[in-house]
Amino acid sequence: SAVISQKPSRDICQRGTSLTIQCQVDSQVTMMFWYRQQPGQSLTLIATANQGSEATYESGFVIDKFPISRPNLTFSTLTVSNMSPEDSSIYLCSADDSTNNEQFFGPGTRLTVL
Amino acid sequence: GEDVEQSLFLSVREGDSSVINCTYTDSSSTYLYWYKQEPGAGLQLLTYIFSNMDMKQDQRLTVLLNKKDKHLSLRIADTQTGDSAIYFCAAAGEGSQGNLIFGKGTKLSVKP
Repeated sequence: SAVISQKPSRDICQRGTSLTIQCQVDSQVTMMFWYRQQPGQSLTLIATANQGSEATYESGFVIDKFPISRPNLTFSTLTVSNMSPEDSSIYLCSADDSTNNEQFFGPGTRLTVL
Repeated sequence: GEDVEQSLFLSVREGDSSVINCTYTDSSSTYLYWYKQEPGAGLQLLTYIFSNMDMKQDQRLTVLLNKKDKHLSLRIADTQTGDSAIYFCAAAGEGSQGNLIFGKGTKLSVKP
């Protein structure tokens, strides 16, 4: 199974600032994803991070707000731009082990925007 | 689109079996997953089942899939206090690998 780490684990940010979250996988993976889990809610897919091309965003999420990088097969970043209190959530990175259809998640980044 | 529903709470006594239920709407869902989330932690993949299977067993965990009724269940045998967590059911369609649609999660409380 893939082991996924995220940095930072949590942060408290001021309105209008931006935060970049890093996701590192301990093995090369084809697919990496970013999810959001709002307080007391389930998970919603933000985007698929594609290596070597632009991320694919789900409905309701746009690149200007959530720019994503995927420079190689083990690493991705998600930036939450121009933050507002509504962006307070847990942001989770996941990776798909396509050899056996298992999708693993990182520990999440707990973001609070004041 | 796909919708995944779960009951929100389940309370059991230590040593009993727990059964967490999930329904989904998209009959083309190919893979169905169960994840566990402990307080303040990320999601731990517990098990998954492919849609052509009826049952999958892994130690204390048994997954049952009724494809006709689009109903999935997770049974935890001999439930322990360490099993207290939120359990998420998630569905993935063929060709939409990675776009997991999650239920709202079932909070399992295990009483000693």
